[in-house]
Amino acid sequence: KNQVEQSPQSLIILEGKNCTLQCNYTVSPFSNLRWYKQDTGRGPVSLTIMTFSENTKSNGRYTATLDADTKQSSLHITASQLSDSASYICVVDDMRFGAGTRLTVKP
Amino acid sequence: AAGVIQSPRHLIKEKRETATLKCYPIPRHDTVYWYQQGPGQDPQFLISFYEKMQSDKGSIPDRFSAQQFSDYHSELNMSSLELGDSALYFCASSLGSGSTEAFFGQGTRLTVV
Repeated sequence: KNQVEQSPQSLIILEGKNCTLQCNYTVSPFSNLRWYKQDTGRGPVSLTIMTFSENTKSNGRYTATLDADTKQSSLHITASQLSDSASYICVVDDMRFGAGTRLTVKP
Repeated sequence: AAGVIQSPRHLIKEKRETATLKCYPIPRHDTVYWYQQGPGQDPQFLISFYEKMQSDKGSIPDRFSAQQFSDYHSELNMSSLELGDSALYFCASSLGSGSTEAFFGQGTRLTVV
């Protein structure tokens, strides 16, 4: 069983809409949790990084939250754009990757 | 700003050959991570180095070895290549390890034929 599980596997939304991606992890303790955006065939690009003591971190239209009690993190994207279409990957301690959520933003 | 540089970008090798992938971290970054991403799969952590010493080891096959040099660049050496080694190999770097942001290179696409 993967120690980092993401949901949904894929998501289609209309341009301008908001969405929230989920990441559940069983790694404990851990030092950091990162959200990455990865375009097909490209290297992941860091969106946010949080330590275990942080609850929320924003980066423009991206806001990540972390609940260490429930071992859940979420990535909220506001006012989606066509360029947000990509895979979003949750990574714990740089070593444990979730399978990603494939987001498609349609006009 | 300078980013993580990986070379080569593309590499084609035959089975049982060897390959060396190189990673040049962002200047002043002392930590390097290597990942393997097979087609349609999520990245798998291979190995990491901090200050030229191996810091963590993941699912790196015994046929692979890596090191970090005095200038902090890193090389991933792959021997006795197998068809299943065909993948994207990413390198990431950070200043320190743990809670600092890591930056990824564009990757090296290795194709074993």
